[in-house]
Amino acid sequence: QLQLQESGPGLVKPSETLSLTCTVSGGSISSSTHYWGWIRQPPGKGLEWIGMIYYSGSTYYNPSLKSRVTISVDTSKNQFSLNLSSVTAADTAVYYCARLTTGAYWYFDLWGRGTLVTVSS
Amino acid sequence: EIVLTQSPGTLSLSPGERATLSCRASQSISSSYLAWYQQKPGQAPRLLIYGASSRPTDIPDTFSGSGSGTDFTLTISRLEPEDFAVYYCQQYGSSPYTFGQGTKLEIK
Repeated sequence: QLQLQESGPGLVKPSETLSLTCTVSGGSISSSTHYWGWIRQPPGKGLEWIGMIYYSGSTYYNPSLKSRVTISVDTSKNQFSLNLSSVTAADTAVYYCARLTTGAYWYFDLWGRGTLVTVSS
Repeated sequence: EIVLTQSPGTLSLSPGERATLSCRASQSISSSYLAWYQQKPGQAPRLLIYGASSRPTDIPDTFSGSGSGTDFTLTISRLEPEDFAVYYCQQYGSSPYTFGQGTKLEIK
């Protein structure tokens, strides 16, 4: 069964770059009917879509974060990654990676467990 | 950007009762691009409904979705203790793919 797992530092200093990786196991990231996305959730708040990537490398970002976000994919490792630059305390959140199924319907059907990233000096 | 407004913010009900949650969009969305998620404390969201009314095979039939255009509804026909959680709608009609702010379903 396909699973996703986030990894990366749990603490990042203000103005630095947050970097996370999502490892996909039990299936291939090179799927024609799926995108691979990042979603975040500040403590006690709602969900925010950050962006997503296709296995070919095509990316789509939330305009509110676009100037600071880069999502990349490494098909040889079955991984995709998130870089968020110039972070502030407002970027403190649980970061989830997820699989977006597309076609007749679109939905995030598989999620990682999430990883808490705290921005603090 | 499409804004999704969920109501009520908090819904207090007892096990066995029926729950009706609303999600209203600021502009029309194709039903194919509206999904509902359940989130319990400390857990990732879980897909409940896609295409406004379709249910994944592992979701019990006590959960149902309906609606079109700008008004969508999630109904839980008979609440079980494990159904008390936060529920989010999300749209994929246009980028950014926004979520509603959530409805907390709590035990009365």
